[in-house]
Amino acid sequence: AQTVTQSQPEMSVQEAETVTLSCTYDTSESDYYLFWYKQPPSRQMILVIRQEAYKQQNATENRFSVNFQKAAKSFSLKISDSQLGDAAMYFCAYSGGGADGLTFGKGTHLIIQP
Amino acid sequence: NAGVTQTPKFRILKIGQSMTLQCAQDMNHNYMYWYRQDPGMGLKLIYYSVGAGITDKGEVPNGYNVSRSTTEDFPLRLELAAPSQTSVYFCASSIRTGEAFFGQGTRLTVV
Repeated sequence: AQTVTQSQPEMSVQEAETVTLSCTYDTSESDYYLFWYKQPPSRQMILVIRQEAYKQQNATENRFSVNFQKAAKSFSLKISDSQLGDAAMYFCAYSGGGADGLTFGKGTHLIIQP
Repeated sequence: NAGVTQTPKFRILKIGQSMTLQCAQDMNHNYMYWYRQDPGMGLKLIYYSVGAGITDKGEVPNGYNVSRSTTEDFPLRLELAAPSQTSVYFCASSIRTGEAFFGQGTRLTVV
């Protein structure tokens, strides 16, 4: 079974600075998908960014980018120019691409200091 | 677009009561899911469905039942509620690549 590990229960960063959230995963598959979801206090799960394992290029969405290291099974999220609205729980998730759903890490609570 | 709609948003149940959490999606997705989220944890899969009439167990199915009579609807039934079922429940739908679209969640408390 696949596992996803987020080793940082909580991170704190000053507004406008850059922060990196870590995620490692374990799988025997060669083709899969990785995601970062944001969960603000409203508890809505919001997709931040996705990465297909067959793509070597790291995904980028505005201030959010990933560092995908397939051999190391690492998938970190970098948030540049942090904003107060970025404060939330962030979950790393894995999908094998089939119908059996996402496997989530336990999450990282991101605090933005004004 | 409504996306994934879950009802209710909050509910308090007494031990032994039953209830159904409703979920509907309007994106014509074949795959639908129910997850639960306990404090300090990620989401865990309860049940999933690959299409109307087809359902299967996830990681934590005990105490729950589902049905999928249409592509749009995927209700979750709790029979004989127990305190261990106190949690936040999320319904989601997805396409083959696994990118899931979530409902707003239901906070359920069993007392």
